[in-house]
Amino acid sequence: DGGITQSPKYLFRKEGQNVTLSCEQNLNHDAMYWYRQDPGQGLRLIYYSQIVNDFQKGDIAEGYSVSREKKESFPLTVTSAQKNPTAFYLCASRGNMNTEAFFGQGTRLTVV
Amino acid sequence: KNEVEQSPQNLTAQEGEFITINCSYSVGISALHWLQQHPGGGIVSLFMLSSGKKKHGRLIATINIQEKHSSLHITASHPRDSAVYICAVRDADKLIFGTGTRLQVFP
Repeated sequence: DGGITQSPKYLFRKEGQNVTLSCEQNLNHDAMYWYRQDPGQGLRLIYYSQIVNDFQKGDIAEGYSVSREKKESFPLTVTSAQKNPTAFYLCASRGNMNTEAFFGQGTRLTVV
Repeated sequence: KNEVEQSPQNLTAQEGEFITINCSYSVGISALHWLQQHPGGGIVSLFMLSSGKKKHGRLIATINIQEKHSSLHITASHPRDSAVYICAVRDADKLIFGTGTRLQVFP
């Protein structure tokens, strides 16, 4: 079955450590996205990539980094520069402008 | 003011009731999505529409482009419909999300 997979579902890290969240899709989608969700707020765009080896900053990119070396994979690194990293992170992908977006199951990151 | 506003924020209903969730937006869009998020956090896309009306089972979504408004209706609601329903609009390559409507359907 085609889909988009995020791992792990829950992640705990100590303050000051970098952590990388995985997002893989086998839908052959060109575009991939990372969103952050905080209680009482809509999803906010961190980074997105429309093609391999290219990505753009979203609305809240500070403290995050991404790579897009393969079409299937779009990992997100939460760096120690991110001041408030504890949140729920969602990855999404989309085939082209007129198709629906598919979402992963999310990763809940807790930094202690 | 948010670019995508949903109402109500919270909604409780008795099983069998007809549910309506509203979404208003202030930007020009190419499409509007209705999404469902269950307590575990994963999101499922329910509808993508750019005009008119779509129906899938007990779910109906409508959009009025001139009024910049969309509604999601659930007929004969069931406890398993309990979830957060999110409206998102597509502006160029980005999706802009509403804050969601939390629906609780009681037996």
